[in-house]
Amino acid sequence: EPEVTQTPSHQVTQMGQEVILRCVPISNHLYFYWYRQILGQKVEFLVSFYNNEISEKSEIFDDQFSVERPDGSNFTLKIRSTKLEDSAMYFCASSGRVRGHTGELFFGEGSRLTVL
Amino acid sequence: GIQVEQSPPDLILQEGANSTLRCNFSDSVNNLQWFHQNPWGQLINLFYIPSGTKQNGRLSATTVATERYSLLYISSSQTTDSGVYFCAVGDQKLVFGQGTRLTINP
Repeated sequence: EPEVTQTPSHQVTQMGQEVILRCVPISNHLYFYWYRQILGQKVEFLVSFYNNEISEKSEIFDDQFSVERPDGSNFTLKIRSTKLEDSAMYFCASSGRVRGHTGELFFGEGSRLTVL
Repeated sequence: GIQVEQSPPDLILQEGANSTLRCNFSDSVNNLQWFHQNPWGQLINLFYIPSGTKQNGRLSATTVATERYSLLYISSSQTTDSGVYFCAVGDQKLVFGQGTRLTINP
């Protein structure tokens, strides 16, 4: 069964460092997402990406965040200068299109980011 | 934006019991999904159920879209069912509820 894969599974970084989280969405999907979950809290939407551009972003997704689809398979989230409060589990998701709207979202296993 | 409320926030049961988790949402949506978050933090897809009823083993779910709620039923609970259950709804993106933390004691 096709799945969304994420790397790394866990990354520890120093405050102020740049981090890139990588995702390989399901191959025929058209919509790509990043979510994050701070420990003990609910899962929050960060950004959605469609047709090679951001389609929607939350207020959390400020100038220190960026997303990119550098080739036909990878989808990356870059955090330019990490802060302590960026420590969280980051989930990538992808979906296809069903009757004119997004279908079921499939989530990766997550990348746990710890900022020291 | 759309509001998602899950109840109860916490549920503690003995092994073998049945449970019902509820998800209320504030607007009509094209997508509703239920997830189980395991102890390692992974989100496990349970159901994609914008409307109707589905069953998968001991789990089943019903969404009444016109009344803006969904129910997740777990029958004959096992300790491995423990964890947090999330409902998520939306159109172009999913909005998650706060979750129900289910603890199944042996």
